[in-house]
Amino acid sequence: GQQLNQSPQSMFIQEGEDVSMNCTSSSIFNTWLWYKQDPGEGPVLLIALYKAGELTSNGRLTAQFGITRKDSFLNISASIPSDVGIYFCAGQPSDNNAGNMLTFGGGTRLMVKP
Amino acid sequence: GAGVSQSPRYKVAKRGQDVALRCDPISGHVSLFWYQQALGQGPEFLTYFQNEAQLDKSGLPSDRFFAERPEGSVSTLKIQRTQQEDSAVYLCASSLGSDEAFFGQGTRLTVV
Repeated sequence: GQQLNQSPQSMFIQEGEDVSMNCTSSSIFNTWLWYKQDPGEGPVLLIALYKAGELTSNGRLTAQFGITRKDSFLNISASIPSDVGIYFCAGQPSDNNAGNMLTFGGGTRLMVKP
Repeated sequence: GAGVSQSPRYKVAKRGQDVALRCDPISGHVSLFWYQQALGQGPEFLTYFQNEAQLDKSGLPSDRFFAERPEGSVSTLKIQRTQQEDSAVYLCASSLGSDEAFFGQGTRLTVV
C-alpha cells in the first residue's frame, strides 16, 4: 500500500486562484518530486527537491522539501484552465537501493469550478 | 521515438488469460521501472531493471507477474492467469541512471 498521505484528494479551482496541496510521510525521503498526470497519459515531472528545507520554483509552481524530510507542499499561483489534472507527490526513500524507485501519494485532482 | 513507448495502449483480457505488455524505453536509458496504477490511485512500484539485470522485484504482487529485459533495452511485463484485481494501468518509466525518470503513456488492462 501507499506510504504517502496526500491532501486534499480533490479541489475545485477558479481561474486566477492560488492552489496548495501537500504530502506527509511516516518515513524519511531523500528526494521529493511533484508530477502532473493528464487523462490517458503518464506522469510528467514538474519539480524535483533534493535537500531538506529546499524551496524551488518553476514558473507559477513552488514546492518545498520539509525540514524533517517527511513532508512537502506544492503551490500553484494564479491558476489557469490547463492546470486541471491530477497532481502526485512522490518520494525516494532514504534506504532505497533500487535506483530511483519512487513511492507515490494518492493524488490531488484539480477541477474547474462550474 | 523520442519518449518511452508502451504497447498495447489498451488490452481487454478474459479472466485466466495470459497477457504480455511491452515497454520500449528511451534509447540509452539504463534504468527501467514498471508501476501499476489502479483507478483513482497513485502508481505503485512493481519492479526495476538496471540494463538486463532485475535488481528489485519486491513490488510484484504475486508469482503470476513476471518481467524481463533480456537485452537491456525493451522490457516485457507478463501476467499469467489474469484476475479481475489485475485491472489497472501499467506504467513503464526509464532513466539514464539516478536522474529523472520519464514515463510512458501506459497500458490500460481490463480483465473481464
